[in-house]
Amino acid sequence: EDKVVQSPLSLVVHEGDTVTLNCSYEVTNFRSLLWYKQEKKAPTFLFMLTSSGIEKKSGRLSSILDKKELSSILNITATQTGDSAIYLCAVASGAGGTSYGKLTFGQGTILTVHP
Amino acid sequence: NAGVTQTPKFQVLKTGQSMTLQCAQDMNHEYMSWYRQDPGMGLRLIHYSVGAGITDQGEVPNGYNVSRSTTEDFPLRLLSAAPSQTSVYFCASSNPRTGRYGYTFGSGTRLTVV
Repeated sequence: EDKVVQSPLSLVVHEGDTVTLNCSYEVTNFRSLLWYKQEKKAPTFLFMLTSSGIEKKSGRLSSILDKKELSSILNITATQTGDSAIYLCAVASGAGGTSYGKLTFGQGTILTVHP
Repeated sequence: NAGVTQTPKFQVLKTGQSMTLQCAQDMNHEYMSWYRQDPGMGLRLIHYSVGAGITDQGEVPNGYNVSRSTTEDFPLRLLSAAPSQTSVYFCASSNPRTGRYGYTFGSGTRLTVV
């Protein structure tokens, strides 16, 4: 059974702090790892990583995949109150061209940023 | 361009009732999925489809049916509602063949079974 575990489950910081969210996985036929941000409603896509060690960046957010350690981190620098959300990690796995049909999600990390 | 549209947004059912959650997308995405989200458990995959006429089970398929007769629509049927199916349901779509690996999610349906 595919498994994705995130840590910590919740985190409270102050504006300006830097945070690191962790995601580890045990899946058969790993294809890629995806990060999502969920505020009040639906998750929104942040990054997809397929190659180990390559950093994806978007403004203050960055993420790296370590395929040897079967894990990924999501860094947020200079946090703002608008970063408060649930951050979800998901893994696409499976053989063949339809593997992206099936994503396994972690439990999520609830990030709260206080002013 | 509406994206992924889910209806209804809220629903209360009695135990044993059946209903269909509707999902439609207008982005010509091949892949569509249904997830349920419960506190502390992230998103769990119920059923998914990689094209019209093709569906498969996810992690928690029991008590749910799906069909995909068109590219646009992917309804989720609850056969006989149970309190354990109280959850928030998300429909999502993507199109990996065009590089759209990240799923686009609908706004969710909050279902309560009493």
